Amino acid sequence: ETGVTQTPRHLVMGMTNKKSLKCEQHLGHNAMYWYKQSAKKPLELMFVYSLEERVENNSVPSRFSPECPNSSHLFLHLHTLQPEDSALYLCASSLRDRETDTQYFGPGTRLTVL
Amino acid sequence: EDQVTQSPEALRLQEGESSSLNCSYTVSGLRGLFWYRQDPGKGPEFLFTLYSAGEEKEKERLKATLTKKESFLHITAPKPEDSATYLCGLQRGGATNKLIFGTGTLLAVQP
Repeated sequence: ETGVTQTPRHLVMGMTNKKSLKCEQHLGHNAMYWYKQSAKKPLELMFVYSLEERVENNSVPSRFSPECPNSSHLFLHLHTLQPEDSALYLCASSLRDRETDTQYFGPGTRLTVL
Repeated sequence: EDQVTQSPEALRLQEGESSSLNCSYTVSGLRGLFWYRQDPGKGPEFLFTLYSAGEEKEKERLKATLTKKESFLHITAPKPEDSATYLCGLQRGGATNKLIFGTGTLLAVQP
């Protein structure tokens, strides 16, 4: 595997289900991100982890719970979601240093909440 | 407040018809301006980073330029495989490495 991988690629869940999205980066990066992409809207940053510590949480509802057990893996735990949470969820990673901080994205998980 | 505006929302070109996409921005202290390409159902693919006004970068048929208020993505003699959504994002200097994105330009190149 190379780059940033995400599983599952597609997920359909009911409002009472609990599921998790997984992201893995094979680039040796030290920062990881979750974004939400909805139709006709800009990508919305949800969470940032740097060196496994959460450094940003953009007022995301508590029904989304991130976890970063190490610098290569990132999870997004989902519970009691709403239909408006249906979107493409993208994971990204980067190497944070003083000169450049290019984020590389995974293929995304298409989430549908019924 | 930091802001990114992309235009046009959609652009249809004939193969070989050159054009430009615009990304206007306001930010207090630009660290970098990023261009990505996104195909349907896929994640954004990194194209360029520009750091200062006057900088230019090229890759195949694409050329990105930067001024103090906007960036252009010039597409020379496009081919159908250039069809995609092109996203512009900016990163502010300071402790955060947060990327703020525009809504993108959907480009369709017809043979």
